Amino acid sequence: QKEVEQNSGPLSVPEGAIASLNCTYSDRGSQSFFWYRQYSGKSPELIMFIYSNGDKEDGRFTAQLNKASQYVSLLIRDSQPSDSATYLCAVQRSGGFKTIFGAGTRLFVKA
Amino acid sequence: GAGVSQSPSNKVTEKGKDVELRCDPISGHTALYWYRQSLGQGLEFLIYFQGNSAPDKSGLPSDRFSAERTGGSVSTLTIQRTQQEDSAVYLCASSFGNGETQYFGPGTRLLVL
Repeated sequence: QKEVEQNSGPLSVPEGAIASLNCTYSDRGSQSFFWYRQYSGKSPELIMFIYSNGDKEDGRFTAQLNKASQYVSLLIRDSQPSDSATYLCAVQRSGGFKTIFGAGTRLFVKA
Repeated sequence: GAGVSQSPSNKVTEKGKDVELRCDPISGHTALYWYRQSLGQGLEFLIYFQGNSAPDKSGLPSDRFSAERTGGSVSTLTIQRTQQEDSAVYLCASSFGNGETQYFGPGTRLLVL
């Protein structure tokens, strides 16, 4: 079992729709959760982070965390073609620096 | 301000040669990370440095890989006796601390022939 698992996709949604990206993790000691976006040929950049159970909203993005189910998700509302990228889920243990990334989900937003 | 910089941006080497990859983190960031990303894959953790603490080397794939961080700033990742499977993009990132955003450099694209 991989430490951080994501559906590789590709996930294809029409422009204006909601894109839902999911991630599960195996280490119950995980405390910090991150979503990074990576455009083709570019380096990852942070979209959102979440530490507590529940939802966290930032503009069109909502991160959801359920520690009991070891599940974290990212919702993108009103998807735009510019959102087309690979989305990487990343996890850190409490008090730790070692960061484990998932393999990423490729998202395509069709105009 | 300046972001994370890495050099060289591209490196082509012959199998068996040693290579050194350099990372300059953002000033003031105490944590520095190295990752490897093979084509179409996610990021593979290699090593991190945090302040004066001993680095976490648990992700280094073999003893051919080593890294150091001098003066709490610049870091060098060294790969000895390179193999073709070492071909990948090597990414460096830095952050203020754990649980904080990691800022990535542009990466070094390594090709071992």
